[in-house]
Amino acid sequence: DQQVKQNSPSLSVQEGRISILNCDYTNSMFDYFLWYKKYPAEGPTFLISISSIKDKNEDGRFTVFLNKSAKHLSLHIVPSQPGDSAVYFCAASGAGNMLTFGGGTRLMVKP
Amino acid sequence: EAQVTQNPRYLITVTGKKLTVTCSQNMNHEYMSWYRQDPGLGLRQIYYSMNVEATDKGDVPEGYKVSRKEKRNFPLILESPSPNQTSLYFCASSVTGAHQETQYFGPGTRLLVL
Repeated sequence: DQQVKQNSPSLSVQEGRISILNCDYTNSMFDYFLWYKKYPAEGPTFLISISSIKDKNEDGRFTVFLNKSAKHLSLHIVPSQPGDSAVYFCAASGAGNMLTFGGGTRLMVKP
Repeated sequence: EAQVTQNPRYLITVTGKKLTVTCSQNMNHEYMSWYRQDPGLGLRQIYYSMNVEATDKGDVPEGYKVSRKEKRNFPLILESPSPNQTSLYFCASSVTGAHQETQYFGPGTRLLVL
């Protein structure tokens, strides 16, 4: 059973609007969460992360929110740009060395 | 330029024919790892290595082997590939493997096993 789930396989947003990508997890031992972005024919690249001791982390246009009680995190992109079109993976880690990834959400930002 | 490289980028093979996918990093990272990406399943870890001569199983190690004889290289070996190993493979590295660290990924190797 997947411990990290991204229930929306795809999302389409107009340029300039907000993109909200969601991620749910089941393992309460996860204490660090990351978002990776992947363009076609390239490897994933790190975007933003958040520790479980925080509920929000912001980096420019990207903000990640963590709701521990709901075991839910979300990535907000404001404003969305066409260059943000990519697949976004949510990932979680606990005390070990393993990263557990969600299935990914394909974001399409239309000009 | 700091990077993780993989070769080959694309590979078509037949069932049972042994193959090796190479991975190399130039960042002097201790930790290296292999993932496979399948539709809807995201990236799943195959094997990882905390340092030279130290390897361990990830979530989906069956049918794969790895070795870590040098710090910079971490090849993935499929002794007898099967069609269910058709996938997109990524190698990654990080400084020490601590779970808060960013992992740096290679460009991927797309494998088709007929």
